[in-house]
Amino acid sequence: AQSVTQPDIHITVSEGASLELRCNYSYGATPYLFWYVQSPGQGLQLLLKYFSGDTLVQGIKGFEAEFKRSQSSFNLRKPSVHWSDAAEYFCAVPPGGGNKLVFGAGTILRVKS
Amino acid sequence: GAVVSQHPSRVICKSGTSVKIECRSLDFQATTMFWYRQFPKQSLMLMATSNEGSKATYEQGVEKDKFLINHASLTLSTLTVTSAHPEDSSFYICSAGWEGRGTEAFFGQGTRLTVV
Repeated sequence: AQSVTQPDIHITVSEGASLELRCNYSYGATPYLFWYVQSPGQGLQLLLKYFSGDTLVQGIKGFEAEFKRSQSSFNLRKPSVHWSDAAEYFCAVPPGGGNKLVFGAGTILRVKS
Repeated sequence: GAVVSQHPSRVICKSGTSVKIECRSLDFQATTMFWYRQFPKQSLMLMATSNEGSKATYEQGVEKDKFLINHASLTLSTLTVTSAHPEDSSFYICSAGWEGRGTEAFFGQGTRLTVV
């Protein structure tokens, strides 16, 4: 079965530092891939998505992610983190290519000033 | 993006009572809606998929008699937690989308259910 792994449960970075959140997937074909952000007690906001084409995807709030087929990865990056980025981040894939999603365990980002 | 509204955002109910949560797609017609549950400090787990006009498909381990899902129109799906117990306390989130590969689903704001 398709699965998504986010190896880091917590990550702490200093404000202004760069950020990389890891996501690995297991999937036979080229997957569709999503990154969502969730602030405490809130719903999910889509940061970016990869369907096809350019493997470097730009999203909202200055985030980007790169699809690397050879590594089965879709890591999320941001060059300079802001305190407002503190939240939980989820990587997700739709196993059947539709709207049903399988989520990774999530990575909680803490930003220290 | 499209807007999905979920109501209520928070609800507290007594053990043994039932609670209904609504999920509406405000500016598009959703052929499919999904209900997820998120326990504290855990990820989102899909509970069920509902298609307009047909019975919901439940994931393994989800009690369909306890979590009643109705998708009577292309813009509204409801989740009713029947005879709620404290262990049902959780964050419930819906998403709505339409058929087709390479499309994204849109999420509601979530409902925090606390059963006392």
